[in-house]
Amino acid sequence: DTEVTQTPKHLVMGMTNKKSLKCEQHMGHRAMYWYKQKAKKPPELMFVYSYEKLSINESVPSRFSPECPNSSLLNLHLHALQPEDSALYLCASSQDGQGVETQYFGPGTRLLVL
Amino acid sequence: GQQVMQIPQYQHVQEGEDFTTYCNSSTTLSNIQWYKQRPGGHPVFLIQLVKSGEVKKQKRLTFQFGEAKKNSSLHITATQTTDVGTYFCAGPRGVEMGGGSNYKLTFGKGTLLTVNP
Repeated sequence: DTEVTQTPKHLVMGMTNKKSLKCEQHMGHRAMYWYKQKAKKPPELMFVYSYEKLSINESVPSRFSPECPNSSLLNLHLHALQPEDSALYLCASSQDGQGVETQYFGPGTRLLVL
Repeated sequence: GQQVMQIPQYQHVQEGEDFTTYCNSSTTLSNIQWYKQRPGGHPVFLIQLVKSGEVKKQKRLTFQFGEAKKNSSLHITATQTTDVGTYFCAGPRGVEMGGGSNYKLTFGKGTLLTVNP
């Protein structure tokens, strides 16, 4: 099974709302990633978890808060977002985050902030 | 820091014509990966090249890694409408954090391929 699942597929939220994005993989991967992708742009890395520890934070604003409850799950908690945060949020996983292995992407959550 | 440049940004072809996208890195890469993203979809891994001068083929797709491991290309022979999408190259870059080394993928800007049937 090479599938990464993400919920919800679509999300509309106001600037005062709190919501969470969820990601799950059952490939036994030990590295998981959050990316943000704007239209016609490449994925932009936000966070990397390796062995359930945050290993990379690409200076993401604190209104985005990642959480890795276990090696199969990754959450992204959203609070007080801005309209410019509207984008496709992609989760990905890889074997152990050591740079050589490939990344498997989930279908993404399309977020609209009003 | 490491940059990965990709050209062209857009390419429109007639079905049956060939297509090539090129990727160049400012630094030597340990490997390069190629991903395809269909319109409205998510990036899907196509291939990884590791060795200097490596050439790999997947049906009508041919991938090359340069001798200096700084450039790569993806060539599609006789394009079909199913080839439509954005093709990204990506190379790993080491990131020093907390005394340890971690890696992230640096993506090129992608080449959007459209095919006229």
